[in-house]
This record gives sequence, C-alpha cells and structure tokens, in this order.
Amino acid sequence: RKEVEQDPGPFNVPEGATVAFNCTYSNSASQSFFWYRQDCRKEPKLLMSVYSSGNEDGRFTAQLNRASQYISLLIRDSKLSDSATYLCVVNTGGGYNKLIFGAGTRLAVHP
Amino acid sequence: NAGVTQTPKFQVLKTGQSMTLQCAQDMNHNSMYWYRQDPGMGLRLIYYSASEGTTDKGEVPNGYNVSRLNKREFSLRLESAAPSQTSVYFCASSEAGTGGTQPQHFGDGTRLSIL
Repeated sequence: RKEVEQDPGPFNVPEGATVAFNCTYSNSASQSFFWYRQDCRKEPKLLMSVYSSGNEDGRFTAQLNRASQYISLLIRDSKLSDSATYLCVVNTGGGYNKLIFGAGTRLAVHP
Repeated sequence: NAGVTQTPKFQVLKTGQSMTLQCAQDMNHNSMYWYRQDPGMGLRLIYYSASEGTTDKGEVPNGYNVSRLNKREFSLRLESAAPSQTSVYFCASSEAGTGGTQPQHFGDGTRLSIL
C-alpha cells in the first residue's frame, strides 16, 4: 500500500463548480499535512497547510480526519487558473522534516 | 527574490557519464532535499540534509551522492548515469522542523535525460 494515496483523476469541471479531492495516508504517526499545487512542467508550490480543526484560505478548504487517516481539499467557484495537479503531502513522523508526496490529482477547469 | 535555484535546467547525458546538479537557497534554511519525479509517481526523496554538515539517505539513494557544501548549497552527483535515472530532479529547502511541521520550498527543477 502506498504511504499517500490519491485519485489521479483527471477531474474535468466547468468554471464555477465546486470540486473535492481526497487523500489517505498510512502512517498514523504523521503530524503535518499539506496540499501543494503543481502546474505542468513546473515545481510544486505550497497551497496550504492542513490543520486538525480544518482551515480555509479563500476558495480553498482543507479538512483532516486523523481517525480515518484522511485529508480533503475543497475548491469552490473553480477558476480556469485552478487547472493543475494537486499533491497531498504528509510528513513521515518520528521527528524528521521528511515529507511523503502523493502522486497527485489532476484538475482541468474548462469554460 | 531567488528562493531555491537549480542548475542546469536541462541536460542530456550518455550512459556512464557523470554530472553534478547544483542547488542553492537564499532563505537561510537549515534543511535541504533532493527529489526525483517520474510520470505517475509522487516525488521520491533521494537524499536530504537536515543541517549543514549532515546528509542522510532517502527512499531512492542508489546511484547518487550528495554534498552539503555550506548552508546555502546542496549538490547531487550521478557518478555513472543510467537510463533509469532519466527524470525530473527537484531541490527543496525548509526551516529545520521537529515533527515535520515545516513546508518545503522547491527549485524549478532539472530535466535530465540519459541515453
């Protein structure tokens, strides 16, 4: 089983739609969680950290369920510029700042 | 505002050749990392350096060596390149973190092809 699993997609949605991505992780000792965004042939960029109580940044909402080892990202009012691959990222636990990256979920927003 | 700078951006090598990928960061970060990214797979950690003077193996270290030259610079060396090392290589840096609380910041990658 992969340490971080994501649905690869692609998710094809119209502008203005709401879309949700899910991610599961296997290491119950993981303490830090992030969503990164990666545009085609570009480097990953931090989108947002994920906090235990859930958190929101504009149109983006992240949720964490530790009991189920599950992370989600909700994007409201999708824009064309949201088209990218979204990477779920989890630390390995054990006091190291080592991150495990999911393979990503591809989102395509169309007019 | 450079952040993490990688050189070169593209490189084509023949099997058996050697080369060094360079990485430098100007954010005064303690920790630096080298990843490779292959189609359909997540980024995989090759080596990391938690602080100046230390290096450790990641998930896929075979065929690579690293040097943490100083706090700013962390290089990745392929001693004898193999076609399986064709990939996109990313360098990243972060503040030192306990419990993995620090996000990592990436360079824009080196696209390496081994023929």
